[in-house]
Amino acid sequence: EAGVVQSPRYKIIEKKQPVAFWCNPISGHNTLYWYLQNLGQGPELLIRYENEEAVDDSQLPKDRFSAERLKGVDSTLKIQPAELGDSAVYLCASSSRTGAEQYFGPGTRLTVT
Amino acid sequence: GNSVTQMEGPVTLSEEAFLTINCTYTATGYPSLFWYVQYPGEGLQLLLKATKADDKGSNKGFEATYRKETTSFHLEKGSVQVSDSAVYFCALSLSGGYNKLIFGAGTRLAVHP
Repeated sequence: EAGVVQSPRYKIIEKKQPVAFWCNPISGHNTLYWYLQNLGQGPELLIRYENEEAVDDSQLPKDRFSAERLKGVDSTLKIQPAELGDSAVYLCASSSRTGAEQYFGPGTRLTVT
Repeated sequence: GNSVTQMEGPVTLSEEAFLTINCTYTATGYPSLFWYVQYPGEGLQLLLKATKADDKGSNKGFEATYRKETTSFHLEKGSVQVSDSAVYFCALSLSGGYNKLIFGAGTRLAVHP
């Protein structure tokens, strides 16, 4: 069974530029999560989807971050414009349903210069 | 608030040494507790879990006991291998499942031959 797929694995951009990350969850998983992992810290939840609906986006900085999960499968997380402090690893995870075990992708490492 | 505190790394051990990684938590209510492992270049994987006081989670030779009286969930292994080199994250959830995971900062383990 394929795991959670994320792309790109690495991204370097200049500040004020836009950037997007893509996540393909495990087939059949209805719940999708985006996490932010700063250097030397544990992951922090940004947003959780149940199918197409964002059911918990309380930690998503909505002034510059946006996310979508069209058709309840793949998801995209966008930052526009990026700031130096956005340099981090962005993790995607999925689970068969809310409350079930989460499976994590390898993450996208973003560097903003 | 709810939080997880782990011992700082890196932890450097020789092969076959005994491992302990300390984890303590602060939580309202009765959390479930988890250990996740992140191997280089891979996503986080669930290593073990415990859902109530005095439960012992175990997997791949690793163990951790849920100690409510000391609010701790220390990870132990009797004989580490080079292949155990990774970053280990302690986490809690207050919802009874894997929702709303709150992670510690992670502890890097390096095992030398």
